[in-house]
Amino acid sequence: GQNIDQPTEMTATEGAIVQINCTYQTSGFNGLFWYQQHAGEAPTFLSYNVLDGLEEKGRFSSFLSRSKGYSYLLLKELQMKDSASYLCAVRDPLKGANNLFFGTGTRLTVIP
Amino acid sequence: EPEVTQTPSHQVTQMGQEVILRCVPISNHLYFYWYRQILGQKVEFLVSFYNNEISEKSEIFDDQFSVERPDGSNFTLKIRSTKLEDSAMYFCASAAAYNEQFFGPGTRLTVL
Repeated sequence: GQNIDQPTEMTATEGAIVQINCTYQTSGFNGLFWYQQHAGEAPTFLSYNVLDGLEEKGRFSSFLSRSKGYSYLLLKELQMKDSASYLCAVRDPLKGANNLFFGTGTRLTVIP
Repeated sequence: EPEVTQTPSHQVTQMGQEVILRCVPISNHLYFYWYRQILGQKVEFLVSFYNNEISEKSEIFDDQFSVERPDGSNFTLKIRSTKLEDSAMYFCASAAAYNEQFFGPGTRLTVL
């Protein structure tokens, strides 16, 4: 089966940098996605990694190491509006061509 | 910017009743998905749909569930005989290809 682990909660200060880790053990792998989800709202796409390395997109970066089954999402210059859950999701082609398997999410609280 | 829409935003039903949740995917997308999220839990894949048929379905998607694309724009999820444990947020998502999925705002289903 799919095993996708993230810390349950994190707290960070406005203006700081925070790194949210995700480890996964899946039968196959064809990409890792990060989504942001504000309470009561839909997940919104942040980033996608399929090759090893860092993908940067403004204040958000995501890193992938396939050999380690590990990814992180880096948020810089934190803003209060970044308080949300961050969901790590893996695409496992052995369980469906484009279906996403989500972790439980990391609830990030940004404090002043 | 095009977006996925879902109706209703909140549906309350009695146990044993049938419900139909409706989604309008982004117009040029070809891949459609239903996910659900029980309160406080992770987002779970239900079913994927491509070329007018189901591509994959999870073990959650049993005989009480069905999906349909009745016309060129709508994508529906029917639950034939609702159970208390079907209470959840149901998200529709669509994708142009094997890349990021765009989620709708969700329908909160409450089964009494």
